[in-house]
Amino acid sequence: ELKVEQNPLFLSMQEGKNYTIYCNYSTTSDRLYWYRQDPGKSLESLFVLLSNGAVKQEGRLMASLDTKARLSTLHITAAVHDLSATYFCAVHTSGTYKYIFGTGTRLKVLA
Amino acid sequence: NAGVTQTPKFQVLKTGQSMTLQCAQDMNHNSMYWYRQDPGMGLRLIYYSASEGTTDKGEVPNGYNVSRLNKREFSLRLESAAPSQTSVYFCASSEREGYLNTEAFFGQGTRLTVV
Repeated sequence: ELKVEQNPLFLSMQEGKNYTIYCNYSTTSDRLYWYRQDPGKSLESLFVLLSNGAVKQEGRLMASLDTKARLSTLHITAAVHDLSATYFCAVHTSGTYKYIFGTGTRLKVLA
Repeated sequence: NAGVTQTPKFQVLKTGQSMTLQCAQDMNHNSMYWYRQDPGMGLRLIYYSASEGTTDKGEVPNGYNVSRLNKREFSLRLESAAPSQTSVYFCASSEREGYLNTEAFFGQGTRLTVV
């Protein structure tokens, strides 16, 4: 059974600092997704990582994928308050047509 | 653009009552999903439909039924609501690329309370 773990679950950081969120999964996966959720809102797609070594960047967020280690990271550079949200990773395996989500990382950026 | 539309947005039920959550997407996607979100649990898949005419159980299907009415609509039914079903429910859809899917697009959620 595919399991997805994120850590940390909670992250409080100062503006301007860097940090990394980790997403580990238990079995082979073909695609990995990162989503953002603001409080009381829906989920918004951030990145889709398609293959080993994939790296994508958008603003202060950079996501990478290591399929051999079954690990994805979401790196935050010089955090700003607007990045405060909950971040989820999700994995998807060919032929199953379903997404299994991690438990989420609640990020709070302090001014 | 509407995207994925869920109704209702909020609902309070008494234990034992039944209700149907509605979901419709206008992106012509093949695959549709129902998730529930509980604090500290992330999103857990209840049921999904890889294509029109098919449905499959997810991680937590007990107490729920689904209907893929057509390509656009995927409903979730609670036959006899229980307090453990108090949650936020999200519908999502995605497109298929061969044996894989694109990213999922989510509705705004239904906040359900069972008392």
